[in-house]
Amino acid sequence: ILNVEQSPQSLHVQEGDSTNFTCSFPSSNFYALHWYRWETAKSPEALFVMTLNGDEKKKGRISATLNTKEGYSYLYIKGSQPEDSATYLCASGNTGKLIFGQGTTLQVKP
Amino acid sequence: NAGVTQTPKFQVLKTGQSMTLQCAQDMNHNSMYWYRQDPGMGLRLIYYSASEGTTDKGEVPNGYNVSRLNKREFSLRLESAAPSQTSVYFCASSIAGGTLRSTDTQYFGPGTRLTVL
Repeated sequence: ILNVEQSPQSLHVQEGDSTNFTCSFPSSNFYALHWYRWETAKSPEALFVMTLNGDEKKKGRISATLNTKEGYSYLYIKGSQPEDSATYLCASGNTGKLIFGQGTTLQVKP
Repeated sequence: NAGVTQTPKFQVLKTGQSMTLQCAQDMNHNSMYWYRQDPGMGLRLIYYSASEGTTDKGEVPNGYNVSRLNKREFSLRLESAAPSQTSVYFCASSIAGGTLRSTDTQYFGPGTRLTVL
């Protein structure tokens, strides 16, 4: 079974700090890497789908990079705001079914 | 346009009771999924339906059954609930039909928080 790992498990930063976290996945037979944002009591919401080695995606202050050869993706948040507080999930799959990492929970203190 | 809806939002059951979790989507998606989310673990796939009329087991199907009632609705049934099934259950949908695609975004419902005593 595909194993997707995220680190760190949790992160506490001050408002205005920039931060990043990692998603690791098996590099063989790679198809796609997804990032989701999940706020407490809400639905997980798609941020990015990445498919090509070297892909970079950006949405506002959030960006992501992909290295399929070594099997990792980074998610960056520039100038964190309290509303960025959420759990960030990554997922990968090569059979159409996604395998999710355990998530990185970000807490941004005002 | 409600997206993916789930009912109920919360449920408490006693061991051995049965219940059905309901899910509906209004995005004309072909594929639908049921996941469970437990503390410290990623979302784990219970069952999925790649198109109306088909269902398949995911990673953790034991103790569950599903019905793809029509294109819009996909229900999850616990026949005899056990404390190990205490979890948050998410339904999701994606556009592809027939064969799942790893590149397709999945759209999630708000979840059902289930406690089994």
